[in-house]
Amino acid sequence: DSGVTQTPKHLITATGQRVTLRCSPRSGDLSVYWYQQSLDQGLQFLIQYYNGEERAKGNILERFSAQQFPDLHSELNLSSLELGDSALYFCASSPSPDLGRLQETQYFGPGTRLLVL
Amino acid sequence: LAKTTQPISMDSYEGQEVNITCSHNNIATNDYITWYQQFPSQGPRFIIQGYKTKVTNEVASLFIPADRKSSTLSLPRVSLSDTAVYYCLVGDVGSNYQLIWGAGTKLIIKP
Repeated sequence: DSGVTQTPKHLITATGQRVTLRCSPRSGDLSVYWYQQSLDQGLQFLIQYYNGEERAKGNILERFSAQQFPDLHSELNLSSLELGDSALYFCASSPSPDLGRLQETQYFGPGTRLLVL
Repeated sequence: LAKTTQPISMDSYEGQEVNITCSHNNIATNDYITWYQQFPSQGPRFIIQGYKTKVTNEVASLFIPADRKSSTLSLPRVSLSDTAVYYCLVGDVGSNYQLIWGAGTKLIIKP
């Protein structure tokens, strides 16, 4: 158990809909990362937040957005869903402080499996 | 953007040493190179991290040459439970810092 929690575990929805995925980082971690992993594919980095502020942006679609709240939990919002958005969505967290460009060990949650029908 | 290249898959046998190499160019000069392990339907798990030369922990070793254009993850005496996908992770050298994940190497250990 990494200490990172994600809800829900599974989500089934229809094309065109909007969903929200939630992540609670490990206690004390200030950074939260979001990833997408399609079936049998590698990890696609979406976005990182550090202490409530966006820190790095990867291949995140405009239909997707995220935020980190004052209590440090984060939400990933996916809208106008398409069949191709079906994937595992992982959240990871890492400890503070923000050391600039240096990587910190990321602790991954169990993921949310999204199925768009 | 930095680019990474890893073998798509590798096979080995229990008790053998396995080396997985990741080639990476244009990586951030002041950043670590990190390797993660992922089992099916689970989140990746940190294995080892290094900057230069050799790093060893209780599960693996990581070899990084002076030019840092590649890194090699070494798993000593593998067992069936080491069957997993292994990813390298580097930082991008561009002005907007980004994490670049390798495509992953599927390692299958046979009895």
